Amino acid sequence: AQSVAQPEDQVNVAEGNPLTVKCTYSVSGNPYLFWYVQYPNRGLQFLLKYITGDNLVKGSYGFEAEFNKSQTSFHLKKPSALVSDSALYFCAVRDMRTGNQFYFGTGTSLTVIP
Amino acid sequence: SQTIHQWPATLVQPVGSPLSLECTVEGTSNPNLYWYRQAAGRGLQLLFYSVGIGQISSEVPQNLSASRPQDRQFILSSKKLLLSDSGFYLCAWSVGREQYFGPGTRLTVT
Repeated sequence: AQSVAQPEDQVNVAEGNPLTVKCTYSVSGNPYLFWYVQYPNRGLQFLLKYITGDNLVKGSYGFEAEFNKSQTSFHLKKPSALVSDSALYFCAVRDMRTGNQFYFGTGTSLTVIP
Repeated sequence: SQTIHQWPATLVQPVGSPLSLECTVEGTSNPNLYWYRQAAGRGLQLLFYSVGIGQISSEVPQNLSASRPQDRQFILSSKKLLLSDSGFYLCAWSVGREQYFGPGTRLTVT
């Protein structure tokens, strides 16, 4: 069965410090992995994706994520956090073998402290 | 470029009343379309998805239904709303690998 786990409900980081939001996944085939960000009362915005190739992928707003196949992880990172990065972050996986469904984690609320 | 619209943005409905939420996509053809519900501002629950006109897959049995009368139109309906139907409803589309979301509809059932 396909699933995504975001082990931290809440992450707090000081402005200017590096941030990491964790994600692990379970799929039966090769995964397509995604990160989305959601601001209050808004839809989810696409940040970045891993399909194949380089394990480090870069996305919008200075975010990047590292795919680690042996650890089945896809952690979201940013070298220097901004207060405006405070939002809800979702990891998602798509198993292209089974087709059209996307599986989302439960979300991690990131607070960047000024 | 592609855009996705949802309306209304907010809705307050009494228990037992009907529901119709609409989603339309512009700038693409034959998208996969999805309805999600987000409760309490957290996890997403997939309700329905569609790979083509008239083709609907239901993920969660409940008093909601979905229809896709046109290629880029996806409608979420209910004949009688329950209190538990309150939440933030998100429509999404995909063509290719990633998925893109609409702005959402906040539904409050009173």
